[in-house]
Amino acid sequence: DAMVIQNPRYQVTQFGKPVTLSCSQTLNHNVMYWYQQKSSQAPKLLFHYYDKDFNNEADTPDNFQSRRPNTSFCFLDIRSPGLGDAAMYLCATSRDRPREQYFGPGTRLTVT
Amino acid sequence: AQTVTQSQPEMSVQEAETVTLSCTYDTSENNYYLFWYKQPPSRQMILVIRQEAYKQQNATENRFSVNFQKAAKSFSLKISDSQLGDTAMYFCALRIYGGSQGNLIFGKGTKLSVKP
Repeated sequence: DAMVIQNPRYQVTQFGKPVTLSCSQTLNHNVMYWYQQKSSQAPKLLFHYYDKDFNNEADTPDNFQSRRPNTSFCFLDIRSPGLGDAAMYLCATSRDRPREQYFGPGTRLTVT
Repeated sequence: AQTVTQSQPEMSVQEAETVTLSCTYDTSENNYYLFWYKQPPSRQMILVIRQEAYKQQNATENRFSVNFQKAAKSFSLKISDSQLGDTAMYFCALRIYGGSQGNLIFGKGTKLSVKP
């Protein structure tokens, strides 16, 4: 089945220690998104790639970066995680921007 | 700016009964999509149903249907014959057609509990 895969499902990192979360997709969608979701809240878009074009949300902290080496993979880098960055991170994909987005299972990040 | 409002933070329903989740939105755009997403506890977000604003006919997916009132900017979700597996957080979302922005505008969600 075509799907969105996120690894790892659970990640523990130390305060200030860089961490990378990964997302891959077999849907061959041209748009990939990263969301941050804190407990009992709606997902908040951090940034997205439309093909190779990176689109950052205005309020996304500089601490968050992303890479998309090819169509299938996208990475979220948190350069210096703070306690406030503990959250679920969701990757999603879509065929073009207006279309429905398909979400991965998420990576739950804990910062100690 | 676009907004999505879900006025029911929590709801409960007995198994096999019908429940309706409310959603209102605001946008000055004429072309957009509306979605309902389901997020079960500790599980991934799943698309439940989609509605294109230009379509007058309400979307239906098995036990899930919407009541789309474009003039009133209302987009409610009806779940018929509720099942225990329907227990989840439900998010209403809006996406404008066109433009370079990527974001789904989410409501704050409605936590639905289906009771046996």
